[in-house]
Amino acid sequence: RKEVEQDPGPFNVPEGATVAFNCTYSNSASQSFFWYRQDCRKEPKLLMSVYSSGNEDGRFTAQLNRASQYISLLIRDSKLSDSATYLCVVRPAGKLIFGQGTTLQVKP
Amino acid sequence: GAVVSQHPSRVICKSGTSVKIECRSLDFQATTMFWYRQFPKQSLMLMATSNEGSKATYEQGVEKDKFLINHASLTLSTLTVTSAHPEDSSFYICSAGGSWNTEAFFGQGTRLTVV
Repeated sequence: RKEVEQDPGPFNVPEGATVAFNCTYSNSASQSFFWYRQDCRKEPKLLMSVYSSGNEDGRFTAQLNRASQYISLLIRDSKLSDSATYLCVVRPAGKLIFGQGTTLQVKP
Repeated sequence: GAVVSQHPSRVICKSGTSVKIECRSLDFQATTMFWYRQFPKQSLMLMATSNEGSKATYEQGVEKDKFLINHASLTLSTLTVTSAHPEDSSFYICSAGGSWNTEAFFGQGTRLTVV
């Protein structure tokens, strides 16, 4: 079993749609969680950290369920510029463990 | 601006040659840096943890004699792909910085093509 699992997609949605990505992780000792965004042939960039209480940043909402070892990302009012691969990232003891990534394609 | 600088961004080399990739932390010291590899349509896979002044820690399945890591200073780690073969063609990326609950910073990545 992979340490971090994501549905690779692709998710093809129209502009303005709401889309949700899910992620599960296997290491119960993981201490911190992130969503990164990666554009084609570029380095990953932090989208947002994920906190136990859930957190929101504009159109983006992240949730963490430690009991289920599950992380989610909700994107509201999708924009064309949101098209990218979204990486679920878990940090047990220093190093970052990446999920496979979920590809989002927002269409006009 | 970038806090981690990686060089070169792109390299094409002949099969059997060695390629060195540099990762520098800017404006901060990094006792630990991480090297990842990403094949097309796949996620970033951790290859090794580079430790300043000591040996790197390699992930299972990564050949330490093929992927030489040197972390001789607090701002520089290098990854050398020795005797490169076409199957080593990939996107190599380093990261540094952050703590257990904060983000890490990534270099711009190096796209290696072995012909």
